Amino acid sequence: KNEVEQSPQNLTAQEGEFITINCSYSVGISALHWLQQHPGGGIVSLFMLSSGKKKHGRLIATINIQEKHSSLHITASHPRDSAVYICAVRSGRNQFYFGTGTSLTVIP
Amino acid sequence: DTEVTQTPKHLVMGMTNKKSLKCEQHMGHRAMYWYKQKAKKPPELMFVYSYEKLSINESVPSRFSPECPNSSLLNLHLHALQPEDSALYLCASSQAWQGIYEQYFGPGTRLTVT
Repeated sequence: KNEVEQSPQNLTAQEGEFITINCSYSVGISALHWLQQHPGGGIVSLFMLSSGKKKHGRLIATINIQEKHSSLHITASHPRDSAVYICAVRSGRNQFYFGTGTSLTVIP
Repeated sequence: DTEVTQTPKHLVMGMTNKKSLKCEQHMGHRAMYWYKQKAKKPPELMFVYSYEKLSINESVPSRFSPECPNSSLLNLHLHALQPEDSALYLCASSQAWQGIYEQYFGPGTRLTVT
């Protein structure tokens, strides 16, 4: 069993739709990261969370430490949001665990 | 400057070759990381350097040899690689290893071993 589970694995949405990607983890963490990877490889760090909620433009990330769960929301989705979204956690023992990613396609 | 640069972008090497990957950052970060990513898989942590000292080696084969010559540079020396080592190699940096800090990733080097 993976320490970090993401759902869904693949997601197709129409432009403008509200999107939610979920991440559950089984270890105690010091921080959770949401990463975006476009085709071609480059990874961008979207959020780093240890509690609560963060917002950046159309992106919102929340974390519930008690339930060991985080969500990434994209409002008013756009084709340029098409990418793989990866949830990663850093455990209290400074170990990194990555989810298998959610591949998002936004259709115009 | 919030950029991590990596060279080369692409590398094709034979199993008997010796090559090096280079990573550079000028953000004053004291932690630097090497990751390996196979197609359609998440990145796997290979090495962590903190204050130019190797802090984490995730049981990586000795044909991969990291080096941190100074606080801005991180190299990965490659020797006698296998075809299964073909992957995207990503470098990242953060303000420090201990503590909660964001990681900044480079664009990666796509390595093909023939």
